[in-house]
Order: sequence, then C-alpha cells, then structure tokens
Amino acid sequence: GAGVSQSPSNKVTEKGKDVELRCDPISGHTALYWYRQSLGQGLEFLIYFQGNSAPDKSGLPSDRFSAERTGGSVSTLTIQRTQQEDSAVYLCASSFESTQYFGPGTRLTVL
Amino acid sequence: AQSVTQPDIHITVSEGASLELRCNYSYGATPYLFWYVQSPGQGLQLLLKYFSGDTLVQGIKGFEAEFKRSQSSFNLRKPSVHWSDAAEYFCAVGGNTGGFKTIFGAGTRLFVKA
Repeated sequence: GAGVSQSPSNKVTEKGKDVELRCDPISGHTALYWYRQSLGQGLEFLIYFQGNSAPDKSGLPSDRFSAERTGGSVSTLTIQRTQQEDSAVYLCASSFESTQYFGPGTRLTVL
Repeated sequence: AQSVTQPDIHITVSEGASLELRCNYSYGATPYLFWYVQSPGQGLQLLLKYFSGDTLVQGIKGFEAEFKRSQSSFNLRKPSVHWSDAAEYFCAVGGNTGGFKTIFGAGTRLFVKA
C-alpha cells in the first residue's frame, strides 16, 4: 500500500516568507508526528497528533511554527516569517501501535 | 521522564567485523522499542521492533537486538558488517498506550572501513 507522502520534496524560499509543508499519512494511522532534521543532526521533535486529542506542541521552537491535522488525516506544518535557521529537512511520520513510518521529507532552504 | 540514550555518537568498524550499537532507555512500564536506520540522503527505515515476548528480535538486513529489562537496554547487533551498513542508527522508545509519544535517541553514526 501507499506509504507516507510529503510535499513539496524541496522548497526554496526567501527570508520572511511563509511556507506550508504537507503530509499525507498512511490511511488508518491515528498518530502523526513532525520532526526537523538539520544537516548531520538527529531528529528534533516538533509536534505530535494522536486521534482527537489535543496535539502535543511541546517541540515547536517558536510561535512562528504551527501545525494542523484536518479530519484526522492530512497535516500541514506552517512556518511564518521564515528565518535562515529554519533551513532543514522536515520529516513527517504516521504511526500505528507506536511504530512510525516516515515520509521522504521536505527539504526547506531559506535564502 | 521517558528518555533514550545512545552513548556513542559515532562508531567505526572494519568490514566483516561484528557490530554492537548501544541503547538505554528510561520508561515507567514495559516499553515498545525500535531501531531505525537512515542511510546518507535517505529517509528513516524501520530495522526491527520489540513489543513483547522473545527478548531477542530479528530485523531486516541481518540485524538483531536484545531487550534486557534489568539493564534498561536494547542494543543492536550484527555479526558481520557490510560497507553498505554505513549509516545513522536511531533507537526509539514508545508506549503501549495511545497517549505516549515515541521518543528517539540522538543517533549513532556508523562508519565502515575496508
């Protein structure tokens, strides 16, 4: 079956612009995670959605970052007024019984 | 608080040699444990997972891991490393209840020398 998909695969933007990153999880997966991975670094947890519960936003680095998950399926991560330090690969994972399945990521470059 | 520690930032082994990557966790109940691999420029792939039962679990690519409750460890092993195993390896712990998010360790980068 289809895996987790993310779009766009690459995004180049100018400092100060807003960007939206999309994640399409595996159908039926109730949990969804967003992570950030800077070059050569580990996974930085951003936000976690579990079913209809309030999301765990404890990893969002600033109020410029927000995410939503509509209808328990597709999720969008929005970064407002992008900064150069936001440049990274943004990974989405959907989860079933705690097993996470990762998408290919969106590489964001802020000029 | 729940946590995962991978003590080795990077490890270098010779091709054909055995490998053990360490992972220690802190969790209040029986955890779900995972190892993921990320090859250069690639996404994360699940190598293996432990939920319950036999404490020695087999995964893909010839890897195995052993859950040791007394040591709070879940070390990853491979008897003979191949050059293609050079990658970043992440250990993770999750809960068997829906409300507990999975936590990843910082990763161990494996270098393989000829």
